[in-house]
Amino acid sequence: DAGVIQSPRHEVTEMGQEVTLRCKPISGHNSLFWYRQTMMRGLELLIYFNNNVPIDDSGMPEDRFSAKMPNASFSTLKIQPSEPRDSAVYFCASSLGEGYTEAFFGQGTRLTVV
Amino acid sequence: AQSVTQLGSHVSVSEGALVLLRCNYSSSVPPYLFWYVQYPNQGLQLLLKYTSAATLVKGINGFEAEFKKSETSFHLTKPSAHMSDAAEYFCAVSNTDKLIFGTGTRLQVFP
Repeated sequence: DAGVIQSPRHEVTEMGQEVTLRCKPISGHNSLFWYRQTMMRGLELLIYFNNNVPIDDSGMPEDRFSAKMPNASFSTLKIQPSEPRDSAVYFCASSLGEGYTEAFFGQGTRLTVV
Repeated sequence: AQSVTQLGSHVSVSEGALVLLRCNYSSSVPPYLFWYVQYPNQGLQLLLKYTSAATLVKGINGFEAEFKKSETSFHLTKPSAHMSDAAEYFCAVSNTDKLIFGTGTRLQVFP
C-alpha cells in the first residue's frame, strides 16, 4: 500500500478563495483524521470519521471549514472563504479504528493564504 | 479529558549523548500512549506505542520508552544520539478512536 495520500502537497491561494484538500486513506482503515499544524498551536485535531461517518468535529475552527467522506477511500477538507490565518500544514491520517492502533499520516498539504 | 504534556519544547544534545524527552499524561482510564517523530517537511511517523503489555517499550531507531503509572509518565530515551535523530518528537494519548498530541519537542543534535 502506498500509505495515506494527500493532494496537493502545496497550495497557495488568495484570501477569499475556496480551497479543497484531498486525502486517500490506507485501504482497509476505518478511521480518518484531519489535523492542522501551526507553529503557534501545534497539532490540532479538526475532525475524524469512523466508517465514513463524522464522529467528532469539535476541532473545526469555524463554519468556513467543512469535511466530507463520501466513501471509504476518499475525504476532503474544504475552506470557504479562506483567510490568511488558515495558513498551516494540514495532515490527513488513517487508522484501523481501534484506540490502541496507531494512526498513519500523509505527507501533508502546506496551505498558504495570501 | 485526556491530555499529554511535553516538558521542554527544545532539547539539545551532543552526538553520542543520552537523549531524554519527557512526556506526562492525564487520563481517567488506562491509556494507550504513542511517540511519533516528524522530520522536516514530512508527516508523522510512529516510533513506538504502549498498549498495556510490557511497561518498557522498544521502538525503531534505538528509541525506547517506559510507562510509569505512579508518575503518569512515558518518557522517550535513546542511549546514544545520532545526527539523524534531529527532528520533532510528539507524545500522544488515546483510549478511544482518536489521538491527542502534545505540543512537541524539537531535538537538536550537535557534532
